[in-house]
Amino acid sequence: AQSVTQLGSHVSVSEGALVLLRCNYSSSVPPYLFWYVQYPNQGLQLLLKYTTGATLVKGINGFEAEFKKSETSFHLTKPSAHMSDAAEYFCAVSEWTGNQFYFGTGTSLTVIP
Amino acid sequence: EAQVTQNPRYLITVTGKKLTVTCSQNMNHEYMSWYRQDPGLGLRQIYYSMNVEVTDKGDVPEGYKVSRKEKRNFPLILESPSPNQTSLYFCASAPRGDNSPLHFGNGTRLTVT
Repeated sequence: AQSVTQLGSHVSVSEGALVLLRCNYSSSVPPYLFWYVQYPNQGLQLLLKYTTGATLVKGINGFEAEFKKSETSFHLTKPSAHMSDAAEYFCAVSEWTGNQFYFGTGTSLTVIP
Repeated sequence: EAQVTQNPRYLITVTGKKLTVTCSQNMNHEYMSWYRQDPGLGLRQIYYSMNVEVTDKGDVPEGYKVSRKEKRNFPLILESPSPNQTSLYFCASAPRGDNSPLHFGNGTRLTVT
């Protein structure tokens, strides 16, 4: 089974500062990678996904992530944090079979005015 | 509006009293799945279904049942709930079980006393 590690269960940044949320996965074969965002009292929403091709993936709300196979990482970044970015973020991976998804434990992002 | 609808949003019950959490999607998706979200553990997959009458266990299926008699519905059944099943539950669907991104419901918060 896959495993996903998100370093830092809580991250705080100032408004306008760089956002960096870390995700590492374990996989012996190229996985499919996702970032989801969860706002309070809501379900998860897709931010971005990597399947094949370009390793730098752009998502919604100015977020992007880079797939680095050599580091087994898929870190999420945003150049300038906005107050509305405060939420919980989950990294997820699935195998080529596509029927099971494995989620990290989540990172709660706080944006300080 | 395309959506995944879970009911109820909140449920408090007692140990051993059978309950069902309903999940319905209006997007004609083939793939549906159930997750539980617990602090520090992220989301863990309970069951998934690749299509009508096709269900399979995820990582934490013990104590749960599911059925997929119709494409749009995927109820989660707890025959004899126990306190360790107190959790936040999410239903999700995807067009196919091929790493298509998941669409999530808004969750059901279950408390078993």
